[in-house]
Amino acid sequence: DVKVTQSSRYLVKRTGEKVFLECVQDMDHENMFWYRQDPGLGLRLIYFSYDVKMKEKGDIPEGYSVSREKKERFSLILESASTNQTSMYLCASSFEGSYEQYFGPGTRLTVT
Amino acid sequence: AQSVAQPEDQVNVAEGNPLTVKCTYSVSGNPYLFWYVQYPNRGLQFLLKYITGDNLVKGSYGFEAEFNKSQTSFHLKKPSALVSDSALYFCAVRYNFNKFYFGSGTKLNVKP
Repeated sequence: DVKVTQSSRYLVKRTGEKVFLECVQDMDHENMFWYRQDPGLGLRLIYFSYDVKMKEKGDIPEGYSVSREKKERFSLILESASTNQTSMYLCASSFEGSYEQYFGPGTRLTVT
Repeated sequence: AQSVAQPEDQVNVAEGNPLTVKCTYSVSGNPYLFWYVQYPNRGLQFLLKYITGDNLVKGSYGFEAEFNKSQTSFHLKKPSALVSDSALYFCAVRYNFNKFYFGSGTKLNVKP
């Protein structure tokens, strides 16, 4: 079974802190994604990566950056956390060309 | 504009009855359409996809979806609902390379 793991299930941070969310997949998938999930808005794509060191902006990249130094690991970085970044963050991965995404369990981030 | 809509926030159905969760889309070119399910405190799980071919697509857990090009719809169906089907369901459409729009989600409640 494909496994996508996220470093934390719950995280509480203060405004202005730098926040790292880590995601690891074990199926050698080329593509990895970061979404945020908010009630009534569904999932919105923040960034995705199609290869090591390669990334593309999604629909809501402002306030976020990403890093992919190894194929299996994709990190989401909040340079200076703000309260409007309180949300559920979901990581996903997929093989190139399959379009079927495998999701991690999510990290619920609260910024106070 | 590319988009996907789930017009119902919630669908209630009795166990054993057929269920339908609605999805409409707007995308240029041929649509690649997906359904995912999210159980409480878990990430999303892939149910089924339509890329091309037969308009009726069968997926996991007895679910199926019907692609209707003229109505730009991709409704999720199951002939006989189970209490364990109660979850949050998301429709998604691929609109560019590896970018996907997700609907806002529909909460399915199946009552015994």
